[in-house]
Amino acid sequence: EDQVTQSPEALRLQEGESSSLNCSYTVSGLRGLFWYRQDPGKGPEFLFTLYSAGEEKEKERLKATLTKKESFLHITAPKPEDSATYLCAVGSGGSYIPTFGRGTSLIVHP
Amino acid sequence: DTAVSQTPKYLVTQMGNDKSIKCEQNLGHDTMYWYKQDSKKFLKIMFSYNNKELIINETVPNRFSPKSPDKAHLNLHINSLELGDSAVYFCASSPRTSGSNEQFFGPGTRLTVL
Repeated sequence: EDQVTQSPEALRLQEGESSSLNCSYTVSGLRGLFWYRQDPGKGPEFLFTLYSAGEEKEKERLKATLTKKESFLHITAPKPEDSATYLCAVGSGGSYIPTFGRGTSLIVHP
Repeated sequence: DTAVSQTPKYLVTQMGNDKSIKCEQNLGHDTMYWYKQDSKKFLKIMFSYNNKELIINETVPNRFSPKSPDKAHLNLHINSLELGDSAVYFCASSPRTSGSNEQFFGPGTRLTVL
């Protein structure tokens, strides 16, 4: 059974204070690792897909990296508008349905 | 030009009632999904639908049933609503039936059962 664990559960940062969110996974044949952002009262919004270890993707202040066991979402010089819950999900060869982690709630203080 | 839309946004109803939530996607995707998000924000898959065929059905009560009139729509019908059904329900779609596809989510429907 695919498993996804995200840490920390919650993270508070000051504006400009860089940090990383972790997503550890166990899957039978990784097909894709996905990062989503969810704002309060809204549906998850797709950010990145990573397919193989060593792959990296960037979008504005966000950078996602992937190893064989985990993925990191690095946030560089965050701004208050980066405050949201960040969800990680994995797709595997054993399932058509991605398995989601429980998310990291990020708050960036001005 | 909304990609995945759901109606209603909010739904308040009494225990025992039957209700439906509608979902439409204009992305031309092959696969649609329904998720339940509990108070702790955990997303739990309920159904996945591809070309009018239910391809995966997680262990949800049979009071819940997906209805797909066409490729662009997947509605969720709930019979005999219970207090524990209160949650936010999200519809989503993806290009193909594959573990390698990202999903696009609707805005959610907050269901409250009194």
